[in-house]
Amino acid sequence: EVQLLESGGGLAQPGGSLRLSCAASGFSISAYGMSWVRQAPGKGLEWVSGISGSGDSTYYADSVKGRFTISRDNSKNTLYLQMNSLRADDTGVYYCARRYTYSTSWHPDAFNIWGQGTMVTVSS
Amino acid sequence: DIVMTQSPDSLAVSLGERATINCKSSQSVLWRSNNKNYLAWYQQKPGQPPKLLIYWASTRESGVPDRFNGSGSDTDFTLTISSLQAEDVAVYFCQQYFSSPPFFGQGTKLEIK
Repeated sequence: EVQLLESGGGLAQPGGSLRLSCAASGFSISAYGMSWVRQAPGKGLEWVSGISGSGDSTYYADSVKGRFTISRDNSKNTLYLQMNSLRADDTGVYYCARRYTYSTSWHPDAFNIWGQGTMVTVSS
Repeated sequence: DIVMTQSPDSLAVSLGERATINCKSSQSVLWRSNNKNYLAWYQQKPGQPPKLLIYWASTRESGVPDRFNGSGSDTDFTLTISSLQAEDVAVYFCQQYFSSPPFFGQGTKLEIK
């Protein structure tokens, strides 16, 4: 079964850091561009970051550029999101998501596989 | 950025009746070289991740009931649930994937009247 499982969320202070992980099973993440999408409490969905299958190309929303870093370890079949200089408006559920198209490149796409999400709370 | 705007924000429909959700993009999401609209629809139930329902504006994802239909082109799109079932209570989002960043609509909350 194709699955994504996020971990690493929790409480962080403003200005602090967290590292999220997303372990994939049932498929190889090296074959797909992958993304992180977040959802503030009671709000809509916001794409945060994307990465190619090789990890050579990375993309960020303006709201997180310079603060967040996406990476992947294909040998562990795991995607990561390093979040630094956290702010209160970074609070929300963070989902990893796989693009619909079978392609190692990253390009805007529909997302057909989603993890259950991990909650990040930024508060003092 | 191509911004997506949904209407209405919330909707209450009787069981068995038709539900219609609209989505408008700030620019065209139609790629004329392949005549495809880069538009997807998702369903999100409380405590769950989004579920892909429709892609290319009108192609149903595998396993999605045929009461869910997507239509529209260019900048105006519609998700129609032909006969509302109790399990369709959810928030529905549209998303453009024509250009980066991929952008979601604000969501439409669908309830039973």
